[in-house]
Amino acid sequence: DSGVTQTPKHLITATGQRVTLRCSPRSGDLSVYWYQQSLDQGLQFLIQYYNGEERAKGNILERFSAQQFPDLHSELNLSSLELGDSALYFCASSVARGGRQYFGPGTRLTVT
Amino acid sequence: GENVEQHPSTLSVQEGDSAVIKCTYSDSASNYFPWYKQELGKRPQLIIDIRSNVGEKKDQRIAVTLNKTAKHFSLHITETQPEDSAVYFCAAGETNSGYALNFGKGTSLLVTP
Repeated sequence: DSGVTQTPKHLITATGQRVTLRCSPRSGDLSVYWYQQSLDQGLQFLIQYYNGEERAKGNILERFSAQQFPDLHSELNLSSLELGDSALYFCASSVARGGRQYFGPGTRLTVT
Repeated sequence: GENVEQHPSTLSVQEGDSAVIKCTYSDSASNYFPWYKQELGKRPQLIIDIRSNVGEKKDQRIAVTLNKTAKHFSLHITETQPEDSAVYFCAAGETNSGYALNFGKGTSLLVTP
């Protein structure tokens, strides 16, 4: 157990819908990263927050957005969902921006 | 952006043999190189990492080497055991991008008894 929690574990929804994935970092970690894992694209970095502020952006679609709250938990919002958005979504946390990243258990999103 | 290539994509070894996985990266600014192990349906688990000011690091049966000039780094697992069977990912990160990780495509390692 890495100490990073993610909810829900599984999510099944229809195309066009909107979902919110939640991540709680390890106690004391200020940085949260979101990654998407799919069979064809592998593990891809989406976005990073540090102490409430966005710090780095990867290949994140405009339909996706995220935020980190004052209690340091983070939410990833996915809207206008398409079949291709089906994937495992992981968050990872680290103490600081250069620290080791520990992954949560992931949320498996299935879009039908 | 950074491009991380990983080889081989699959690797099968006999228990007790060594396994080597190699990665190359393209961005000379990358200065942090972790390796993750992912079992089926589980989260990636950090097993070892190395920073660019170090050439080699060892932790029991696992070692990582880094060649900054050639821009490649490798994972070495000695005395492999069946429980080492998993997918292994290399990654690269750097200061200016907040250490967001760019991952290789993964190596599926199978250790047969």
